[in-house]
Amino acid sequence: DAGVTQSPTHLIKTRGQQVTLRCSPKSGHDTVSWYQQALGQGPQFIFQYYEEEERQRGNFPDRFSGHQFPNYSSELNVNALLLGDSALYLCASSLDGNTIYFGEGSWLTVV
Amino acid sequence: GENVEQHPSTLSVQEGDSAVIKCTYSDSASNYFPWYKQELGKRPQLIIDIRSNVGEKKDQRIAVTLNKTAKHFSLHITETQPEDSAVYFCAASDPPWGSQGNLIFGKGTKLSVKP
Repeated sequence: DAGVTQSPTHLIKTRGQQVTLRCSPKSGHDTVSWYQQALGQGPQFIFQYYEEEERQRGNFPDRFSGHQFPNYSSELNVNALLLGDSALYLCASSLDGNTIYFGEGSWLTVV
Repeated sequence: GENVEQHPSTLSVQEGDSAVIKCTYSDSASNYFPWYKQELGKRPQLIIDIRSNVGEKKDQRIAVTLNKTAKHFSLHITETQPEDSAVYFCAASDPPWGSQGNLIFGKGTKLSVKP
């Protein structure tokens, strides 16, 4: 049983570019959340998807958008990248409010 | 919204001693409180969690206590070992979704266990 998988694991982008990060939830999980973890900080909630819709959103600008597909996988898109967007992006999945599992994350560096 | 404060930010103990990390939360409607261990360059891994209908939970050397009245919860690690060295994060569910995946994290505690 695969856990939460994310891709890519590392990437470098230039300011102003756009990035798409991908997540496959743990088998059977229908809820996907995205978090941003800056160096030395705790993860911060970006948004959550359930039944292909954004159910809840944290305090992030509209440059951050997402999508959930019928198979429950999800994408996180960030437009007009800023240096401050450099962080570890974590995907988490869950089912019916039970244990939340994190993926290994995608390390994004903006130069 | 929910706010979580975590103390201390760094903690150094001798191998075999106990370690205690404390967190407070602001929203009395929060009902799920997990603790995560994060090693350098890796993902947060759940080590123990507690729900608001329980006051204490134990798993081998790790225990968590919850005081709903005071809105604080604590992680206790006994008989610490060098491999316990990591950053530990507490978190609280952000209402109204309860434990559905929206967690508010503390800023973390860097635990160092010296042999």
